Amino acid sequence: DSGVTQTPKHLITATGQRVTLRCSPRSGDLSVYWYQQSLDQGLQFLIHYYNGEERAKGNILERFSAQQFPDLHSELNLSSLELGDSALYFCASSPQLMTGAGSYTFGSGTRLTVV
Amino acid sequence: GDSVTQMEGPVTLSEEAFLTINCTYTATGYPSLFWYVQYPGEGLQLLLKATKADDKGSNKGFEATYRKETTSFHLEKGSVQVSDSAVYFCALSGVDSWGKLQFGAGTQVVVTP
Repeated sequence: DSGVTQTPKHLITATGQRVTLRCSPRSGDLSVYWYQQSLDQGLQFLIHYYNGEERAKGNILERFSAQQFPDLHSELNLSSLELGDSALYFCASSPQLMTGAGSYTFGSGTRLTVV
Repeated sequence: GDSVTQMEGPVTLSEEAFLTINCTYTATGYPSLFWYVQYPGEGLQLLLKATKADDKGSNKGFEATYRKETTSFHLEKGSVQVSDSAVYFCALSGVDSWGKLQFGAGTQVVVTP
């Protein structure tokens, strides 16, 4: 157990639907990063939150949004889902804003299947 | 922009064989370099890292040296075990990246008894 909890582990939904993925960081970690892992795109950075504030955006579609709550858990919202959104979604957490040069802890991921 | 290129897999080896996975990068300045490992059904785990040129990262028998002159960070292990079967990702964190990682495509390693 890495200490980063992601729920649900698996999600199957239909095209056009909306889903919410949840991430609870390790106790005390203020930074949360979201990544998408797909067969064709590999691992892509989506977004970074630190202590409730958005700090950086990567290759995140406009149909996707995220937030980090006062208790530091984060949610990734995916809407108007398409078949191509099927992927593994990982979150990672770290204690700092500058994250000790990328050395953070990953959760085990949410596998999203859009049918 | 920053990028990482690593050798394609799968790499299939017998137990106790020598493993090398090549990784080269493109980045401005001096990024930090990492190897992450992903076992089936799990998230990524940090295997080792190096934050400046000529640093050697090592862990669990794996080693990688940050070579600025060749922009490389090749992963090596002298004697692999079946339990080393996994996907290995080379990654970098650029100087202005606020810690976000740029990953290579990953290399699957299969070790047979």
